[in-house]
Amino acid sequence: DAGITQSPRHKVTETGTPVTLRCHQTENHRYMYWYRQDPGHGLRLIHYSYGVKDTDKGEVSDGYSVSRSKTEDFLLTLESATSSQTSVYFCAISTSSGLAVGSIYNEQFFGPGTRLTVL
Amino acid sequence: DQQVKQNSPSLSVQEGRISILNCDYTNSMFDYFLWYKKYPAEGPTFLISISSIKDKNEDGRFTVFLNKSAKHLSLHIVPSQPGDSAVYFCAASLLSGSARQLTFGSGTQLTVLP
Repeated sequence: DAGITQSPRHKVTETGTPVTLRCHQTENHRYMYWYRQDPGHGLRLIHYSYGVKDTDKGEVSDGYSVSRSKTEDFLLTLESATSSQTSVYFCAISTSSGLAVGSIYNEQFFGPGTRLTVL
Repeated sequence: DQQVKQNSPSLSVQEGRISILNCDYTNSMFDYFLWYKKYPAEGPTFLISISSIKDKNEDGRFTVFLNKSAKHLSLHIVPSQPGDSAVYFCAASLLSGSARQLTFGSGTQLTVLP
């Protein structure tokens, strides 16, 4: 158990409203990730963070923003939700960067997910 | 264009037999591969991994094989058990930007029949 929680676990909202999803970890890992899972696509990376206030875009970042003001929390915001953002969102942490010379270790551990429905 | 593909959306096997799940990739820069298992309403859980410098890694009932020349990996589960019924995702890792990133396949639903 990597100590990852996500909130809310379920949310229904309307098109055009802002939505913020929260990922919280208890073990001070440096790397955190947001994914979305859709049928036929597996998991796709939205944004990731490599430290407090350090974030970067993933494969499907359009329409999403993130913030990380402290190590334990990584927030995903949909500024104006659209129906295409209906999905299951997973947060993940990595216990290692895999960036050290000779290291490729990069196992990620996932939270329980947030099911978001945009009507 | 999907860089990691799992071409079989579903697989059914009898309890006690071998389950073989397959995964193909296109990017030769991937240097680490992982398998995850996912039950409904839960997050994916890490199962087993393999470095690109190896061709086989074993962990109990689970073995992952890597064929770099064919850009193909497979997960063998022997013997299969009903509790193995889940969606299995393969993932490939490479360094991109400021972190290592994972690219996932679309998943294979494994059903183990009692």
